[in-house]
Amino acid sequence: QVQLQESGPGLVKPSETLSLTCTVSGGSISTYYWSWIRQPPGKGLEWIGYIYYSGSTNYNPSLKSRVTISVDTSKNQFSLKLTSVTTADTAVYYCARRAVAGSNWYFDLWGRGTLVTVSS
Amino acid sequence: DIQMTQSPSSLSASVGDRVTITCRASQSISRYLNWYQQKPGKAPKLLIYGASSLQSGVPSRFSGSGSGTDFTLTISSLQPEDFATYYCQQSYSTPNTFGQGTRLEIK
Repeated sequence: QVQLQESGPGLVKPSETLSLTCTVSGGSISTYYWSWIRQPPGKGLEWIGYIYYSGSTNYNPSLKSRVTISVDTSKNQFSLKLTSVTTADTAVYYCARRAVAGSNWYFDLWGRGTLVTVSS
Repeated sequence: DIQMTQSPSSLSASVGDRVTITCRASQSISRYLNWYQQKPGKAPKLLIYGASSLQSGVPSRFSGSGSGTDFTLTISSLQPEDFATYYCQQSYSTPNTFGQGTRLEIK
């Protein structure tokens, strides 16, 4: 059974870079798209971007200038970097698998999420 | 960006009730609409994809309908484990966007 697990620092200082990794276990990272989604405390969900195992990416324009998503197929991992963070970036960050039926895409598998707090 | 608006934002209901949640898109999204359930402290869980297809393992009391700009999620007979927050999400175009959520509470 495929599982996703986020890892990384829970506290990041303002203006620094947030770095998270998602490890895919129980299956190969190849042949799927993989996403990052975040949720500020008490608020709704925001899609950050996705990456294909080949390395092609698509980012939310609202974050595009600060976001990089990368993949390491040898480790079955993909990663998120968000630069120049502010307190507005405080959120639970989820990694998720992006699957497709026909031409409809959806997030069918999620990690448990990790809270990242931006504070000095 | 396509805006997704859910109504109501919160809802109180009793076990056994039939409940309907509405999601409206700011432009036509065909049937590229998915529904998720989120319980406190947990990740969202996919319920419905493609407006009306039930995800494997999801109870049949959940159903979805709609196309274009208007969609509904219906729970035919509420169970205690269904009290949660529900989100719709469009996959017609990127950035994929979510509704603001509907919190379903016990009456």
